[in-house]
Amino acid sequence: GAGVSQSPRYKVAKRGQDVALRCDPISGHVSLFWYQQALGQGPEFLTYFQNEAQLDKSGLPSDRFFAERPEGSVSTLKIQRTQQEDSAVYLCASSLLAGGPGETQYFGPGTRLLVL
Amino acid sequence: GQNIDQPTEMTATEGAIVQINCTYQTSGFNGLFWYQQHAGEAPTFLSYNVLDGLEEKGRFSSFLSRSKGYSYLLLKELQMKDSASYLCAVDQAGTALIFGKGTTLSVSS
Repeated sequence: GAGVSQSPRYKVAKRGQDVALRCDPISGHVSLFWYQQALGQGPEFLTYFQNEAQLDKSGLPSDRFFAERPEGSVSTLKIQRTQQEDSAVYLCASSLLAGGPGETQYFGPGTRLLVL
Repeated sequence: GQNIDQPTEMTATEGAIVQINCTYQTSGFNGLFWYQQHAGEAPTFLSYNVLDGLEEKGRFSSFLSRSKGYSYLLLKELQMKDSASYLCAVDQAGTALIFGKGTTLSVSS
Protein backbone atom coordinates (compact mmCIF):
# COMPACT_ATOMS: atom_id res chain seq x y z
CA GLY A 1 0.00 0.00 0.00
CA ALA A 2 0.98 3.59 -0.45
CA GLY A 3 0.29 4.87 3.05
CA VAL A 4 1.24 4.19 6.64
CA SER A 5 -0.53 1.16 8.04
CA GLN A 6 -1.05 0.16 11.64
CA SER A 7 -2.30 -2.99 13.32
CA PRO A 8 -4.39 -3.88 15.10
CA ARG A 9 -6.86 -1.08 14.49
CA TYR A 10 -8.58 -1.81 17.81
CA LYS A 11 -7.26 -3.49 20.92
CA VAL A 12 -9.05 -4.22 24.18
CA ALA A 13 -6.78 -5.22 27.04
CA LYS A 14 -7.35 -6.06 30.66
CA ARG A 15 -5.45 -3.94 33.15
CA GLY A 16 -2.02 -5.46 33.67
CA GLN A 17 -1.77 -7.09 30.24
CA ASP A 18 1.07 -6.35 27.83
CA VAL A 19 0.22 -5.08 24.34
CA ALA A 20 2.20 -4.64 21.13
CA LEU A 21 1.20 -2.17 18.43
CA ARG A 22 2.67 -2.38 14.94
CA CYS A 23 3.44 0.33 12.41
CA ASP A 24 4.39 -0.15 8.76
CA PRO A 25 5.70 3.19 7.45
CA ILE A 26 5.74 4.31 3.87
CA SER A 27 8.47 2.38 2.08
CA GLY A 28 11.78 4.24 2.06
CA HIS A 29 10.83 6.72 4.74
CA VAL A 30 13.74 7.37 7.05
CA SER A 31 11.92 8.93 10.00
CA LEU A 32 9.21 7.32 12.11
CA PHE A 33 7.23 8.87 14.95
CA TRP A 34 4.79 7.58 17.54
CA TYR A 35 2.12 9.84 19.04
CA GLN A 36 -0.60 9.29 21.64
CA GLN A 37 -3.98 10.93 21.12
CA ALA A 38 -6.46 11.02 23.98
CA LEU A 39 -10.14 11.60 23.25
CA GLY A 40 -10.79 15.19 22.23
CA GLN A 41 -7.12 16.11 22.30
CA GLY A 42 -4.37 16.64 19.76
CA PRO A 43 -1.66 14.02 19.27
CA GLU A 44 1.20 14.09 21.79
CA PHE A 45 4.70 13.03 20.82
CA LEU A 46 6.05 9.79 22.28
CA THR A 47 9.21 8.83 20.40
CA TYR A 48 11.18 9.29 17.16
CA PHE A 49 13.35 6.97 15.06
CA GLN A 50 15.78 7.79 12.30
CA ASN A 51 16.21 4.47 10.51
CA GLU A 52 16.80 1.97 13.34
CA ALA A 53 18.14 4.54 15.80
CA GLN A 54 15.79 5.84 18.47
CA LEU A 55 16.93 9.46 18.66
CA ASP A 56 14.28 10.84 20.99
CA LYS A 57 12.15 9.03 23.54
CA SER A 58 11.44 11.99 25.74
CA GLY A 59 7.67 11.69 25.31
CA LEU A 60 7.31 8.14 26.59
CA PRO A 61 5.17 8.54 29.75
CA SER A 62 6.80 5.77 31.79
CA ASP A 63 9.25 2.90 31.61
CA ARG A 64 6.29 0.64 30.80
CA PHE A 65 6.44 2.05 27.25
CA PHE A 66 9.05 0.70 24.88
CA ALA A 67 9.49 1.14 21.13
CA GLU A 68 11.77 -0.45 18.60
CA ARG A 69 12.52 -0.37 14.89
CA PRO A 70 15.21 -3.03 14.54
CA GLU A 71 15.61 -3.03 10.75
CA GLY A 72 14.76 0.57 10.08
CA SER A 73 11.32 -0.11 8.63
CA VAL A 74 8.53 -1.68 10.72
CA SER A 75 8.21 -0.39 14.27
CA THR A 76 6.55 -1.83 17.35
CA LEU A 77 5.32 0.11 20.36
CA LYS A 78 5.02 -2.12 23.41
CA ILE A 79 3.16 -1.21 26.58
CA GLN A 80 3.74 -3.42 29.59
CA ARG A 81 1.32 -3.87 32.48
CA THR A 82 -1.29 -1.63 30.85
CA GLN A 83 -3.21 0.85 33.00
CA GLN A 84 -6.56 2.51 32.33
CA GLU A 85 -4.85 5.83 31.67
CA ASP A 86 -3.10 4.19 28.69
CA SER A 87 -6.44 4.10 26.84
CA ALA A 88 -5.98 6.30 23.77
CA VAL A 89 -5.37 6.20 20.04
CA TYR A 90 -1.73 5.49 19.18
CA LEU A 91 -0.73 7.13 15.92
CA CYS A 92 2.32 6.34 13.86
CA ALA A 93 3.74 8.76 11.29
CA SER A 94 6.62 8.61 8.85
CA SER A 95 8.54 11.18 6.82
CA LEU A 96 10.86 10.78 3.89
CA LEU A 97 14.01 12.41 5.19
CA ALA A 98 15.96 12.47 8.43
CA GLY A 99 14.07 15.32 10.05
CA GLY A 100 14.46 18.95 9.17
CA PRO A 101 12.22 21.96 8.77
CA GLY A 102 9.11 21.41 6.75
CA GLU A 103 9.33 17.64 6.53
CA THR A 104 5.73 16.49 6.16
CA GLN A 105 4.72 13.64 8.43
CA TYR A 106 2.27 11.12 6.99
CA PHE A 107 0.05 9.47 9.57
CA GLY A 108 -1.45 6.03 9.83
CA PRO A 109 -5.06 5.45 10.95
CA GLY A 110 -4.00 4.62 14.49
CA THR A 111 -4.61 1.83 16.97
CA ARG A 112 -7.42 2.51 19.40
CA LEU A 113 -6.46 0.94 22.73
CA LEU A 114 -9.01 0.43 25.47
CA VAL A 115 -7.78 -0.83 28.82
CA LEU A 116 -10.50 -2.24 31.09
CA GLY B 1 6.90 26.34 28.23
CA GLN B 2 5.02 25.67 25.05
CA ASN B 3 1.41 26.38 24.30
CA ILE B 4 -0.75 26.09 21.21
CA ASP B 5 -4.29 27.44 21.37
CA GLN B 6 -7.16 26.98 18.96
CA PRO B 7 -10.93 27.12 19.43
CA THR B 8 -12.53 23.86 20.49
CA GLU B 9 -15.54 23.97 18.19
CA MET B 10 -16.87 25.96 15.25
CA THR B 11 -20.00 25.69 13.14
CA ALA B 12 -20.72 26.95 9.65
CA THR B 13 -23.09 26.36 6.74
CA GLU B 14 -22.43 24.93 3.31
CA GLY B 15 -20.96 27.43 0.88
CA ALA B 16 -19.72 29.74 3.61
CA ILE B 17 -16.17 30.77 4.55
CA VAL B 18 -14.67 29.89 7.93
CA GLN B 19 -11.41 30.96 9.57
CA ILE B 20 -9.82 28.76 12.23
CA ASN B 21 -7.26 30.60 14.35
CA CYS B 22 -4.20 29.22 16.10
CA THR B 23 -1.85 31.02 18.46
CA TYR B 24 1.38 29.51 19.65
CA GLN B 25 4.18 30.03 22.13
CA THR B 26 7.01 27.55 21.67
CA SER B 27 10.70 27.50 22.53
CA GLY B 28 11.62 26.83 18.89
CA PHE B 29 9.95 27.36 15.53
CA ASN B 30 10.67 25.62 12.24
CA GLY B 31 7.25 26.14 10.71
CA LEU B 32 3.58 25.45 11.30
CA PHE B 33 1.43 22.68 9.87
CA TRP B 34 -2.32 22.28 9.52
CA TYR B 35 -3.79 18.79 9.42
CA GLN B 36 -7.36 17.61 8.87
CA GLN B 37 -8.64 14.63 10.84
CA HIS B 38 -12.00 12.97 10.22
CA ALA B 39 -13.35 10.98 13.14
CA GLY B 40 -11.56 7.66 13.50
CA GLU B 41 -9.15 8.39 10.68
CA ALA B 42 -5.55 9.48 10.20
CA PRO B 43 -4.62 13.16 10.27
CA THR B 44 -3.95 14.27 6.68
CA PHE B 45 -1.62 17.10 5.68
CA LEU B 46 -3.22 20.35 4.55
CA SER B 47 -0.54 23.05 4.64
CA TYR B 48 2.86 24.18 5.88
CA ASN B 49 3.96 27.77 6.56
CA VAL B 50 7.40 28.89 7.62
CA LEU B 51 7.49 32.42 6.16
CA ASP B 52 5.03 35.19 7.00
CA GLY B 53 2.13 35.51 4.64
CA LEU B 54 -0.66 33.64 2.97
CA GLU B 55 -0.35 30.29 1.20
CA GLU B 56 -3.29 29.43 -1.03
CA LYS B 57 -4.14 25.90 -2.12
CA GLY B 58 -7.51 25.53 -3.77
CA ARG B 59 -10.35 26.08 -1.30
CA PHE B 60 -7.91 26.11 1.62
CA SER B 61 -5.48 28.89 2.55
CA SER B 62 -3.15 29.24 5.51
CA PHE B 63 -1.64 32.39 6.98
CA LEU B 64 1.31 32.88 9.32
CA SER B 65 2.62 35.80 11.35
CA ARG B 66 5.77 34.75 13.18
CA SER B 67 6.08 38.01 15.07
CA LYS B 68 2.60 37.57 16.51
CA GLY B 69 2.79 33.80 17.00
CA TYR B 70 -0.40 33.48 14.99
CA SER B 71 -1.75 31.41 12.14
CA TYR B 72 -5.13 30.80 10.60
CA LEU B 73 -6.63 28.27 8.24
CA LEU B 74 -9.23 29.66 5.84
CA LEU B 75 -11.74 27.32 4.26
CA LYS B 76 -13.86 28.64 1.39
CA GLU B 77 -16.98 27.27 -0.29
CA LEU B 78 -17.56 24.91 2.60
CA GLN B 79 -18.83 21.42 1.85
CA MET B 80 -20.36 18.85 4.17
CA LYS B 81 -17.25 16.70 3.81
CA ASP B 82 -15.22 19.49 5.44
CA SER B 83 -16.77 18.53 8.78
CA ALA B 84 -13.71 17.30 10.68
CA SER B 85 -11.17 18.25 13.30
CA TYR B 86 -8.47 20.70 12.21
CA LEU B 87 -5.13 20.40 13.98
CA CYS B 88 -2.56 23.17 14.24
CA ALA B 89 0.97 21.84 14.84
CA VAL B 90 4.31 23.57 15.35
CA ASP B 91 7.54 22.04 14.09
CA GLN B 92 9.74 23.07 16.98
CA ALA B 93 13.05 21.44 16.17
CA GLY B 94 12.73 19.69 12.86
CA THR B 95 11.46 16.43 14.31
CA ALA B 96 8.46 15.97 16.62
CA LEU B 97 5.39 18.11 16.03
CA ILE B 98 3.69 19.92 18.91
CA PHE B 99 -0.07 19.83 18.33
CA GLY B 100 -2.92 21.97 19.56
CA LYS B 101 -6.04 20.26 20.84
CA GLY B 102 -7.80 20.62 17.51
CA THR B 103 -10.86 22.52 16.33
CA THR B 104 -13.95 20.47 15.52
CA LEU B 105 -15.74 22.05 12.56
CA SER B 106 -19.36 21.13 11.88
CA VAL B 107 -20.78 22.09 8.49
CA SER B 108 -24.54 22.06 8.12
CA SER B 109 -26.76 22.38 5.07
